[in-house]
Amino acid sequence: GQNIDQPTEMTATEGAIVQINCTYQTSGFNGLFWYQQHAGEAPTFLSYNVLDGLEEKGRFSSFLSRSKGYSYLLLKELQMKDSASYLCAVRLTGGGNKLTFGTGTQLKVEL
Amino acid sequence: DADVTQTPRNRITKTGKRIMLECSQTKGHDRMYWYRQDPGLGLRLIYYSFDVKDINKGEISDGYSVSRQAQAKFSLSLESAIPNQTALYFCATSDHTGVNEQFFGPGTRLTVL
Repeated sequence: GQNIDQPTEMTATEGAIVQINCTYQTSGFNGLFWYQQHAGEAPTFLSYNVLDGLEEKGRFSSFLSRSKGYSYLLLKELQMKDSASYLCAVRLTGGGNKLTFGTGTQLKVEL
Repeated sequence: DADVTQTPRNRITKTGKRIMLECSQTKGHDRMYWYRQDPGLGLRLIYYSFDVKDINKGEISDGYSVSRQAQAKFSLSLESAIPNQTALYFCATSDHTGVNEQFFGPGTRLTVL
């Protein structure tokens, strides 16, 4: 079976940096996605990694280590609007573009 | 205008009723997906389609059926709704080139009494 683990909840302070980890054990790997989801809304795409290393996009960065089955999402200069759930998803090989999602990490940004 | 739309946005129904959820997209994508989201369980794939008339089962297809009669539309049906199908349902689309990230519709909140 497929297993993707993320912390359930995290709390951080406005202006700070937070790292959200994701570990995966899947039968095949063809990329890892991070999505942001505000309460009651649709998930929106944040980042994609398929090779090892860091991908930076503004205040958001994502890192991947395929040998360790590990990724993290780094959010810098936190803002109140960053309070949301962050979903890690793995695309498997051989299955088209199917994604397997983790249960998400609920991030709360406080003053 | 939204690229991926879902109707209805909210629906309350009774056990045993037949329900259809509609998804439309203007992105020109060939791939479409239906997910359900439950607290603590994350997003789970119900069905997906790579082209018109192409239908593939996902992780949790039992109790559901889909139809893809046009590239822009993908409908999900619950033939006989049961209370444990109460969930938030999302439709998504993706292209077949590049990163292939999935774009999600706004969701349909379904309650089965």
